[in-house]
Amino acid sequence: GESVGLHLPTLSVQEGDNSIINCAYSNSASDYFIWYKQESGKGPQFIIDIRSNMDKRQGQRVTVLLNKTVKHLSLQIAATQPGDSAVYFCAENRSGGYQKVTFGIGTKLQVIP
Amino acid sequence: DAGVIQSPRHEVTEMGQEVTLRCKPISGHNSLFWYRQTMMRGLELLIYFNNNVPIDDSGMPEDRFSAKMPNASFSTLKIQPSEPRDSAVYFCASSLKGNEKLFFGSGTQLSVL
Repeated sequence: GESVGLHLPTLSVQEGDNSIINCAYSNSASDYFIWYKQESGKGPQFIIDIRSNMDKRQGQRVTVLLNKTVKHLSLQIAATQPGDSAVYFCAENRSGGYQKVTFGIGTKLQVIP
Repeated sequence: DAGVIQSPRHEVTEMGQEVTLRCKPISGHNSLFWYRQTMMRGLELLIYFNNNVPIDDSGMPEDRFSAKMPNASFSTLKIQPSEPRDSAVYFCASSLKGNEKLFFGSGTQLSVL
């Protein structure tokens, strides 16, 4: 039969606009969340993280919001630039025992110049 | 620090051949992960080492895959015999602690013909 690859959600944003990438996680025991950025031909790169005792954390041009009630995570990128074009992954992790990071399928961000 | 170093960058081999992928984690990191990335399945954790000891190998596809970490600065992922369905990008990542952010290498693009 025909093979079907993962269809990554794609977000197209005009350069200079703000981007919001969403992620739903599944494990209510997860208490540490990380966003990674993967550019073409490269490995994922850490962007920002947040622990479950926080609702919001800000970095340089990026903000992560955590809603534990609905198990939802978002990454906001301010003033999106062409260099932000990449696939973005959210990852969830839990402490205790050993730690196993689970990656989501990713969202492709396309920045329109 | 040079980051996580993987070799080779690209590997093309014929079905049935043995393939060995290599990884040098960041000095001082005590956790090492091997991931596989494909269009079909996304980013999958294959095996996780903590202090050179394999903690979770439940993601290793089958007995053809094996991984070792003889010391804190070196790990190998071996596929014997290789099959076309093993074609993927294999990433190695390390972290200071198993539950902290991961630092990925540039990956090995494996093509099995």
